[in-house]
Amino acid sequence: DQQVKQNSPSLSVQEGRISILNCDYTNSMFDYFLWYKKYPAEGPTFLISISSIKDKNEDGRFTVFLNKSAKHLSLHIVPSQPGDSAVYFCAASANWYSSASKIIFGSGTRLSIRP
Amino acid sequence: GAVVSQHPSRVICKSGTSVKIECRSLDFQATTMFWYRQFPKQSLMLMATSNEGSKATYEQGVEKDKFLINHASLTLSTLTVTSAHPEDSSFYICSARDPAGVSYEQYFGPGTRLTVT
Repeated sequence: DQQVKQNSPSLSVQEGRISILNCDYTNSMFDYFLWYKKYPAEGPTFLISISSIKDKNEDGRFTVFLNKSAKHLSLHIVPSQPGDSAVYFCAASANWYSSASKIIFGSGTRLSIRP
Repeated sequence: GAVVSQHPSRVICKSGTSVKIECRSLDFQATTMFWYRQFPKQSLMLMATSNEGSKATYEQGVEKDKFLINHASLTLSTLTVTSAHPEDSSFYICSARDPAGVSYEQYFGPGTRLTVT
């Protein structure tokens, strides 16, 4: 049973435009959500996160939106740059401020930025 | 920022042998570390939670006798794949949480590519 779902395995966006990556979750106990960027044969790199008490968090070109009622979050990247091409993982955690809280990952979306 | 290292970065072993992978938190103490596994073009699957000074907690479906985890100190956790078989070939990633960090973030290591021949 996948608790975190990324239904789009790939996305292609023109450079300079907005990239929107979507994620759905099923576990209502999740209280913290994260986005990671990953290149092949490397560990994930943290991008941005959001607590369940918020509906938006912005950091430079990256903005994460959370819709708790729909159990949906999205990552917006604007403007998209060639260096943004990578696999993006949505992740979620319950009891985030517990030292043993686990991060559950979605299946990832491969973002390609075309010139 | 906080750094987590893994050693080795890649290893090739023969079927039936055991392989040990190390995960270290370099500039912070981690009472809890996590081990993940990633198959090609798939998500990161949590295998187990490594607890310093106590037994690891394994996720459902993960064989604890196959994947031995030892968290002997606050900066080191090891994953030993025992009697490795080709189906154990995968990318193994560890992570550690900095409980003293402002963001309470979890930091990931660079991963270890295991190939069993």
